[in-house]
Amino acid sequence: GQNIDQPTEMTATEGAIVQINCTYQTSGFNGLFWYQQHAGEAPTFLSYNVLDGLEEKGRFSSFLSRSKGYSYLLLKELQMKDSASYLCAVRFLKSSGDKLTFGTGTRLAVRP
Amino acid sequence: SAVISQKPSRDICQRGTSLTIQCQVDSQVTMMFWYRQQPGQSLTLIATANQGSEATYESGFVIDKFPISRPNLTFSTLTVSNMSPEDSSIYLCSVDGVPGSYEQYFGPGTRLTVT
Repeated sequence: GQNIDQPTEMTATEGAIVQINCTYQTSGFNGLFWYQQHAGEAPTFLSYNVLDGLEEKGRFSSFLSRSKGYSYLLLKELQMKDSASYLCAVRFLKSSGDKLTFGTGTRLAVRP
Repeated sequence: SAVISQKPSRDICQRGTSLTIQCQVDSQVTMMFWYRQQPGQSLTLIATANQGSEATYESGFVIDKFPISRPNLTFSTLTVSNMSPEDSSIYLCSVDGVPGSYEQYFGPGTRLTVT
């Protein structure tokens, strides 16, 4: 299997920093994605990591360690509008073509 | 980025009937995918819609239940056949971004309720 694990729910305060972790099975790894999904809406792309290290994009950063099968999404200067589900997704190499497998998502609630 | 539209946006259907969902992209794309997101759950890949050939289904999904068409590089349909309440879900169409971008874009989804 290609299990992807992330916490189910997190709560943080407006203006603070929150880190959402994601672990995955490393076999066939070909890239890791983070998506944001507001309730009732489609997922929107946040970040992509294929090499080890940190990718920064404004208030959001994503980190990857391929050897550990580990990634995190870091959200800084939290705003109320950041309340959403954050989906970790891994692209796995398959004979039938690369496939994107999603974790269960982390529901983040930002409180005033 | 690709702009994806889906029809219908939502529907309420009776048990035993079938519903066809359409996905239209504003540019030609190589890869189109269909996902299901059940209430409170994450996304599960149903199948890859291949242009000019049969769709490639993931484990647990079969063509008789979820027939897919892909007549060209901008359009695909997913049919949910002989529906039961367990099929109540959001169905999302997705496409790869431009070659080399690695992004995958999602349509707005079709919210299906089966009574």
